[in-house]
Formats: sequence, structure tokens, C-alpha cells
Amino acid sequence: KNQVEQSPQSLIILEGKNCTLQCNYTVSPFSNLRWYKQDTGRGPVSLTIMTFSENTKSNGRYTATLDADTKQSSLHITASQLSDSASYICVVSALNTDKLIFGTGTRLQVFP
Amino acid sequence: DAGITQSPRHKVTETGTPVTLRCHQTENHRYMYWYRQDPGHGLRLIHYSYGVKDTDKGEVSDGYSVSRSKTEDFLLTLESATSSQTSVYFCAISDRGAGVAEQYFGPGTRLTVT
Repeated sequence: KNQVEQSPQSLIILEGKNCTLQCNYTVSPFSNLRWYKQDTGRGPVSLTIMTFSENTKSNGRYTATLDADTKQSSLHITASQLSDSASYICVVSALNTDKLIFGTGTRLQVFP
Repeated sequence: DAGITQSPRHKVTETGTPVTLRCHQTENHRYMYWYRQDPGHGLRLIHYSYGVKDTDKGEVSDGYSVSRSKTEDFLLTLESATSSQTSVYFCAISDRGAGVAEQYFGPGTRLTVT
């Protein structure tokens, strides 16, 4: 069964600190993996999309890594800001399909 | 929100009543999607459209119907709302199939069925 699991479910960090969020998937055959940021009360917004040939992709202070062999991805946030408080959702697409498999997200809270 | 609006943004309705949610886009994207988001679940696809009058079911389509008579509008109808349909509903668009293209989400509609 195609699944996407994220950890931790929630995370609290202090402003300025770094953090890493994890995503494991069992989707096969793999096409691409995306990370979305969802602020409270808003729709998800894309941070990165990676295909199997990409193992690192950055978007400002956000860096995503992908290990297609172990089917794991991580999202690293550098020098966190209060505005990083949000849910981060890992999404995987299987090859030759128009449907996405969503993880349940990691809720990040950044405190001053 | 990438030229996507959803209406209404909030709605409270009673069990058994019909409800229609509207998604409107100004991007001229071919594909449109309806998802629901519930605590403990990832976003789940209800229905999607790959062109005017071309729609297909997603993983949680029971109790929902959709229509797309124009490129810019995608309607989601709950024929007879039930409490289990209390959720936040998101519309999304993409210019190609979701498997390969960026998907842009609307602001969501919070629906409460009492």
C-alpha cells in the first residue's frame, strides 16, 4: 500500500535554532516528492519538488534531501523564524498517476 | 493563493441539507481538484477534473458529486450532508497532471454539519 509517514508529529523549537523533519514513504514506482508548508487556516504552499535523480534541493532557509534507495526524505530549516510556525507536509507521487499521496504533516512551533 | 478563490470560506449546515462549494481560478489551468483535510489524515482526494465536463473520482468520493461547466469553475456538491462530512475542503489546480506538475491550493472552506 502506498503510504507516506512523517515524524515527529509535532516539534517545538526556539527562534534561531535549526530543525529537521523526516518523511518515509513506501510509494512505488516513485516519481517525485514534494514538501509543502501550510500556515494555520490557509492552503498548502509548495516548498520543493524533487525527482528520483535529485538528492538535495534548497529554497531559501529550507533544504530538502531525498534518498530514493532508502525511501526517505528530510526537510531542514536553518535559523528558524517565528513565521516558520506551520505544518509541513510531505507528498509523494507514483509514476504514471495523477494522484498524490499526502503525509499527515509535522506541526512546527517556533517560540521567541 | 495563485489566483484561486473558494466560496464560501465558512459554512454551517444541518444534516440532510444539500451544500455546494465553489472553486474559481483565474490561471486557466486544465486540472482542478477537491480535497478534504481532517485531523489525523493527510489530504484526501475527493474528485478531480482534467477538463471541462471531464471528471473522475478520488479515494473518498462517496456522498460527493462535482461539475465543471467552465474552465475556471469547479463545483463540489454534498447531496445530503452528514456529520462525517464536517471538514476543511481545499481546491487545487495544476496545468498538467498532479503527478508531474506543481499543484496550487486555494484558501479552503471550513464546513460544519450539525
